[in-house]
Amino acid sequence: EAGVAQSPRYKIIEKRQSVAFWCNPISGHATLYWYQQILGQGPKLLIQFQNNGVVDDSQLPKDRFSAERLKGVDSTLKIQPAKLEDSAVYLCASSLGSGEQETQYFGPGTRLLVL
Amino acid sequence: AQKVTQAQTEISVVEKEDVTLDCVYETRDTTYYLFWYKQPPSGELVFLIRRNSFDEQNEISGRYSWNFQKSTSSFNFTITASQVVDSAVYFCALSEAYWGQSGGYQKVTFGTGTKLQVIP
Repeated sequence: EAGVAQSPRYKIIEKRQSVAFWCNPISGHATLYWYQQILGQGPKLLIQFQNNGVVDDSQLPKDRFSAERLKGVDSTLKIQPAKLEDSAVYLCASSLGSGEQETQYFGPGTRLLVL
Repeated sequence: AQKVTQAQTEISVVEKEDVTLDCVYETRDTTYYLFWYKQPPSGELVFLIRRNSFDEQNEISGRYSWNFQKSTSSFNFTITASQVVDSAVYFCALSEAYWGQSGGYQKVTFGTGTKLQVIP
């Protein structure tokens, strides 16, 4: 069974530029998550989708970050414009459902460096 | 509010030593789940174990074992006879049920991680 796919794996941009990340979850997984992991910290949830609807985006900086999951499968996360403090690893995860018992499976992440 | 504390930032052990990684959590819920993940240098978080709040039985899987104690809100992870391949950052996580406009959903809080270095 294929795992969670993410691209690109690495991205270097200058501040105020835009960037987009793509995620394809495990087939059949209804719930998709985007996390931000700053060096030395645990993952922090940015946004959670159940199919193509948002269930939690309380920690998403909506003035610069946006995400969509139009057909309920793959998803894109965009940052516009980027700031230095956005340098982090962006992890995508998916799970079968959205209950508290669900196990999340993670992709390899996208390492973003903002100069 | 839920919180996960991994007080050990970094641990170094010599190969074949046993090592225990500590995890303490805070929650108001009676029903919740606890997880351990491994993050090797490649960056991908790998799922290791899931435990629900009603099951306090210790679990052993090969060289790995987990000790869940509800009375002390701890879910510790022990690696027996450590190997170099065990070198990674290990995260403990707590999952609770939340309710929104669309219904119930999972909210997961991760600890800050413990970096384990196994020296050959």
